[in-house]
Amino acid sequence: QKEVEQDPGPLSVPEGAIVSLNCTYSNSAFQYFMWYRQYSRKGPELLMYTYSSGNKEDGRFTAQVDKSSKYISLFIRDSQPSDSATYLCAMGKAGANSKLTFGKGITLSVRP
Amino acid sequence: GAGVSQTPSNKVTEKGKYVELRCDPISGHTALYWYRQSLGQGPEFLIYFQGTGAADDSGLPNDRFFAVRPEGSVSTLKIQRTERGDSAVYLCASSPFQGSSYGYTFGSGTRLTVV
Repeated sequence: QKEVEQDPGPLSVPEGAIVSLNCTYSNSAFQYFMWYRQYSRKGPELLMYTYSSGNKEDGRFTAQVDKSSKYISLFIRDSQPSDSATYLCAMGKAGANSKLTFGKGITLSVRP
Repeated sequence: GAGVSQTPSNKVTEKGKYVELRCDPISGHTALYWYRQSLGQGPEFLIYFQGTGAADDSGLPNDRFFAVRPEGSVSTLKIQRTERGDSAVYLCASSPFQGSSYGYTFGSGTRLTVV
């Protein structure tokens, strides 16, 4: 079993839909949780960063972390065609080790 | 430059050959990372530099892979005796924060194809 599991895709939604993306993890040492967006042939770019259980909102994006269930989510409201990309969850451990462990990624397509 | 620069953007090489992939981080970023992303997968950690030294090389798959950062800026990932299984996108990231998972900026990667 991988340390980080991400819901398989691809996912296709109409413009304006609410999108829910999810990841689970098995290692309690993960303390920092991130969502990255990756466009085709580009590197991942950071969307959301959080280190505690609860919700964090930034514009149309909300990141949710439930450490007791080892479950994180990203919600996208009023989805736009420009949101079409691959979304990767990533996790980091506390301490000096700053490497990230990524999920497999899910490809989202928002239809106009 | 404004972002992390990786060269070449694409590299096709024959099985058994040696390749070098270059990463030019954001100026002033002391932390530098290499990741490998296979098709349909998320990036996997290879090595982390803090300044000139490799602080964590636990992700390098075997001794055919080696990376250097001699002056604490540009880094080169070197792969000897390439195999078809080495085909992937090699991503470099830099960060101004040492020892933190926050603040990564990734480059667009080098797409390596071993034929």
